[in-house]
Amino acid sequence: EIVLTQSPGTLSLSPGERATLSCRASQSVSSSYLAWYQQKPGQAPRLLMYGASSRATGIPDRFSGSGSGTDFTLTISRLEPEDFAVYYCQQYGSSPTFGQGTKVEIK
Amino acid sequence: QVQLVQSGAEVKKPGASVKVSCKASGYTFTDYYMHWVRQAPGQGLEWMGWINPNTGGANYARKFQGRVTMTRATSISTAYMELSRLRSDDTAVYYCARDTGGREAMNWYFDLWGRGTLVTVSS
Repeated sequence: EIVLTQSPGTLSLSPGERATLSCRASQSVSSSYLAWYQQKPGQAPRLLMYGASSRATGIPDRFSGSGSGTDFTLTISRLEPEDFAVYYCQQYGSSPTFGQGTKVEIK
Repeated sequence: QVQLVQSGAEVKKPGASVKVSCKASGYTFTDYYMHWVRQAPGQGLEWMGWINPNTGGANYARKFQGRVTMTRATSISTAYMELSRLRSDDTAVYYCARDTGGREAMNWYFDLWGRGTLVTVSS
């Protein structure tokens, strides 16, 4: 099983700032089969990115993803109030696993 | 409106079984694989398995094999997840989630989620 480790656990930022979230895999994720989700309290996750760097339908371009192999990054260029949430990475190169999440909170 | 509507919260005793439903609307139910993902309170996400609504074929995460059964009823566009021999650590919100791929193949990431069903296991 591929274990995904997300860092930091919590990111305290102000609206308008840049957020950089990391997801590290215990072994290489084949073909960059990595997705990112956003989850707000009491809601289901929302697909943001897939294939490490492709935005899902309707996702604003302030969200971007990068990386390959074992190291992946989700960047939010300028935080909007609605972006404060928990973010999860998911690999799907083998039996799917998720990271433990990074909470982006208002500073 | 494209959506997945899940059944309501359940409270079960240890050792019992629970069956959660997920009704699809706004799209052709048999055109997309369905997955089940759970989330324990305050915890991350855990994939449980998938079902092919077209054929009924299913595959389960190793952790749940022998305890989980995924089925569907195509006439009512509904997928089901039944988990048996419940333990306290099965307390979680259970989500159904639609795969983004088509009838022939999965993409293994999920673009449409139900709102979740809280299953509480307590004596």
